[in-house]
Amino acid sequence: AQSVTQPDIHITVSEGASLELRCNYSYGATPYLFWYVQSPGQGLQLLLKYFSGDTLVQGIKGFEAEFKRSQSSFNLRKPSVHWSDAAEYFCAGGAGGTSYGKLTFGQGTILTVHP
Amino acid sequence: DTGVSQDPRHKITKRGQNVTFRCDPISEHNRLYWYRQTLGQGPEFLTYFQNEAQLEKSRLLSDRFSAERPKGSFSTLEIQRTEQGDSAMYLCASSLGRGAANEKLFFGSGTQLSVL
Repeated sequence: AQSVTQPDIHITVSEGASLELRCNYSYGATPYLFWYVQSPGQGLQLLLKYFSGDTLVQGIKGFEAEFKRSQSSFNLRKPSVHWSDAAEYFCAGGAGGTSYGKLTFGQGTILTVHP
Repeated sequence: DTGVSQDPRHKITKRGQNVTFRCDPISEHNRLYWYRQTLGQGPEFLTYFQNEAQLEKSRLLSDRFSAERPKGSFSTLEIQRTEQGDSAMYLCASSLGRGAANEKLFFGSGTQLSVL
């Protein structure tokens, strides 16, 4: 069965520090992968997406993610965190075919940013 | 682009009552998705439409759930005989539906359902 796992439920970083959120996937074939961010009372906002090609993907708000097939990972990174980045982050995967918008989400990682 | 709109934002109901949620997708978006999110979990896929056709339903969608998208515009999700386990955030998303490479889901803010 297809699955996406985020090992860290909660991460705390200091403002200005670097950030890495982990995501592992289990799919029969190479999935296409997403990172979304959700702030309280807000809808999910797409940060970036990997479909094929360059394994280092740049997204909005200074985020990037690297697809590593050998490790079945798609970790999200940011070199310097801002207080406004505090939110919940979800990794998601989708398969090909016609159901390409049917995503499997991880459990989410809550990011707290200390001043 | 006014975004995906969901109504109501919050719904409190008593067990056994029927509820209906509405989703207005971004105009010209062919695909519309329903997801459900419970506390501490990521969203789970429920169903999706390509225009007015409902193409797939998750096993999570019991017989008490029904979704429609008349004329391929807005969509409604109805839950009959609600149960406490139905309490969740119901999320709607839409997309252009032009293939996986270009697929980008835009989510609404959701309808929070509480069943007492």
